[in-house]
Amino acid sequence: LAKTTQPISMDSYEGQEVNITCSHNNIATNDYITWYQQFPSQGPRFIIQGYKTKVTNEVASLFIPADRKSSTLSLPRVSLSDTAVYYCLVGYYGNKLVFGAGTILRVKS
Amino acid sequence: KAGVTQTPRYLIKTRGQQVTLSCSPISGHRSVSWYQQTPGQGLQFLFEYFSETQRNKGNFPGRFSGRQFSNSRSEMNVSTLELGDSALYLCASSLAEGATSGNTIYFGEGSWLTVV
Repeated sequence: LAKTTQPISMDSYEGQEVNITCSHNNIATNDYITWYQQFPSQGPRFIIQGYKTKVTNEVASLFIPADRKSSTLSLPRVSLSDTAVYYCLVGYYGNKLVFGAGTILRVKS
Repeated sequence: KAGVTQTPRYLIKTRGQQVTLSCSPISGHRSVSWYQQTPGQGLQFLFEYFSETQRNKGNFPGRFSGRQFSNSRSEMNVSTLELGDSALYLCASSLAEGATSGNTIYFGEGSWLTVV
């Protein structure tokens, strides 16, 4: 199981781009990288998933360098509603997701 | 396309009672898993079902059980409730079996259980 390390918290202002980096030094060859967003009292929401290079969807981009030992979730022009906990998951342990503590993102006006 | 649906959304039970929570996965999804989330322990895996069979189980006592029906809908049951069972219970579904890499897993909004 690839251990992930994320910052505990980050602060940003509305309209800024936010980049959250996740370290996963022992990522396995067939491991995908997945990011979830969670608001208080709600289930985690799938944001984006990737294997290598760059993946972009309507809400975020995921940058993965060639060695895949880290990944960066990029949120363009954040708003107050992006205040949430963001989880980086790499591979899976057996057949279950293992969530770390995540990164608390606070967006201020 | 409807997401993962969980019912009830909120409920309050008394110690010693039992509770049943329901989950309807995304249409076409055959794998359903359950998680417990508490402030102290974070998100913890309970169990996973695929084709009506339990495929994997987390480290929870036998008071926690579940099942899956032929239409992939799932229920989890907690018997002899304890105060520490108060938590957000999350159901997740996916197309393929298990949390295999690349298999995207989608969560429901959860059921808030308060034990008094």
